[in-house]
Formats: sequence, structure tokens, C-alpha cells
Amino acid sequence: AQRVTQPEKLLSVFKGAPVELKCNYSYSGSPELFWYVQYSRQRLQLLLRHISRESIKGFTADLNKGETSFHLKKPFAQEEDSAMYYCARGPVLTGGGNKLTFGTGTQLKVEL
Amino acid sequence: KAGVTQTPRYLIKTRGQQVTLSCSPISGHRSVSWYQQTPGQGLQFLFEYFSETQRNKGNFPGRFSGRQFSNSRSEMNVSTLELGDSALYLCASSSLPGAGETQYFGPGTRLLVL
Repeated sequence: AQRVTQPEKLLSVFKGAPVELKCNYSYSGSPELFWYVQYSRQRLQLLLRHISRESIKGFTADLNKGETSFHLKKPFAQEEDSAMYYCARGPVLTGGGNKLTFGTGTQLKVEL
Repeated sequence: KAGVTQTPRYLIKTRGQQVTLSCSPISGHRSVSWYQQTPGQGLQFLFEYFSETQRNKGNFPGRFSGRQFSNSRSEMNVSTLELGDSALYLCASSSLPGAGETQYFGPGTRLLVL
């Protein structure tokens, strides 16, 4: 079964400190990987996906196939980054459909 | 463009009843997926529809069903409600079904089963 593991339920950092949210996925072909974010009282929204290799709001994520990891990083945390972050994987690229398998999420709290 | 809309936003039902939730995708989007979010199980995939056909189904009992209409709007139905069905039900739409397609989520319908 496809699995996505986010080992930390809560991550607390100070403003200006580096942030790393961990994500590991079960190996199965070449999955599409995503980070979704949910700010307080807002809907779940896409932050970034590995295939586009974009940096959104200063966040980046590198796919490490050897470690089957897709950790989310930001060099300097901002107060507005406080939110719930979900790592998700899609089916293998050659398959059909867009079912997402989500991790359990990490609550990021940026303290002043 | 208007985002994904879901109705109703809140719902209270009793055990044994059935419920129908509605989702209107972003205009032009033809793929709709449903997810259940609970504190214990997190976000779990229910099913996915494209062109009125169910393409994928998650590991949920047959009490959970859905459909998609020709205008891409989708409904999901839960029959014989159980206490454990209390959850936030999220709908997501994308232009096409595909692993690389961005899915846009609605605000969800919060269902409470008493």
C-alpha cells in the first residue's frame, strides 16, 4: 500500500530560524509528490509539487529517491508560515487518475 | 474563477439516516475527487470521477457512493450513517485526471452524526 509518513505532529520554531518538515513515502515507481498547506480557517491549498521545481513563499522541497524523502524547507521562518502542512503523493506517473495519499500532517508554529 | 464550492457546509444527522453532499468544481474542471478528513485517520481518499465515470475508489464500505453529472458537478451519498462517519468531507477538482494535475479543494462539508 502507498504510504506517506510525516513523523512530526508539531514543529515549533522561532521567527527567522530555518524550517524543515519531514516527509517520507513508500517506494512505488516514480510518484508525483506534493506539499499542501492549510492556514487557519482556510481551505487546503497546494504549496508546491516536485515536478514543477518551483519555490513558493520561500519554500523548496527536494526529492531524494534514495531515501524516498521529500522534505520541505525554508531558510528563514516567518510568522505567517504557521499552518498545517501535508505531504501527499499521487499514483505512479504512468497510471491514471489523481488519487492523493496524504501524510498525517505537521502543524508548524512560528514563534516570535 | 470561482473556487470549488460544497453544500451544505454543516450537517447534523442521526445514526441510520442517509446524507447527500454536493460539490461544484471550478468552471471547466472535469475531474472531481472526494476525501474524508478525521482527527484519527487524517485525509483519506474516497473516490474520483471523470466524465461521469468513477475512475478510482478508496477503501470505504459500500455505504459510501457517489456520482458525477454531465456538468461535472458531483454528489456523494452515505447511507445508514454511523457515528464514525462524523468527519469533514472535502471535494477537490482538477481540469483532467492525471498524476500531475493540481487539485483544488473546496471548504468541505462538516458532518456530525449523533
